[in-house]
Amino acid sequence: EIVLTQSPGTLSLSPGERATLSCRASQGVSSTYLAWYQQKPGQPPRLLIYGALDRATGIPDRFSGSGSGTDFTLSISRLEPEDFAVYYCQHTETFGQGTTLEIK
Amino acid sequence: QVQLVQSGAEVKKPGASVKVSCKASGYTFSDYHMHWVRQAPGQGLEWMGRINPNNGATNYAQKFQGRVTMTRDTSISTAYMELSRLRSDDTALYYCARIRSGNGYNLDHWGQGTLVTVS
Repeated sequence: EIVLTQSPGTLSLSPGERATLSCRASQGVSSTYLAWYQQKPGQPPRLLIYGALDRATGIPDRFSGSGSGTDFTLSISRLEPEDFAVYYCQHTETFGQGTTLEIK
Repeated sequence: QVQLVQSGAEVKKPGASVKVSCKASGYTFSDYHMHWVRQAPGQGLEWMGRINPNNGATNYAQKFQGRVTMTRDTSISTAYMELSRLRSDDTALYYCARIRSGNGYNLDHWGQGTLVTVS
C-alpha cells in the first residue's frame, strides 16, 4: 500500500510570498494519477492539479505542480488571501495527511 | 452546470446502517464514475470506493469491504452509499465526488457533504 507523506504539516507565510508544498510517496507512483486539492473550512475539496502538473478548470496560473516518481511539489507563486487553506495530495485511492497553509 | 446534491445529516446508533444519496445534474450521469470520500472531524480525506453508473460495477477500499455498498439509480441520476455495522469512529462527513474524466481518480465536482453521527 502506497503512503503519501506531506510536508510541512503547517506552513506560515505572508500574502505575496511563494509557497512550496511537498508530497512524498513511499514508492514510485505514476504521475498520471497524482492530484492536488485545496480545502477551506466548511467546504468540500477543490481539485487544483491533476496528472501532477495540469491545472484543473478555472485554477489560476499561480498554482503549479511538478515532480515524478516519489517526490511531487505544489507551488503557489504569489500567495493571495484566499489561498490560505489545507492542501492534500492524492494518488489513486490514497490521500496525504494534508498541509495547512496559514497566514503569518 | 454540474451539481451533486446529497441527502441530509443522519444520526445513527452503533450497529445500525446509513444510506446516503447523491443526486447529480448538469451532465450525463452514466458517463462519469462516482466516488465516495469521507472526512472525520478535524481529520484528512479517506477514499471509500467508486461506482461506474453505466454498469453498476464497484471498487471498494479494503478497509470498507463487507461493510459498504454503493449503488445507483440511473432513472433519477442518483448514487447511493450504504455503510453498515456503524461504529463511533464512522462519525464523519461523507462526500460524493465525480471523476473528471475517464477511469481515473481526479475528482473535480463534489457534493456538499453529509454528516453522519454515530452515537
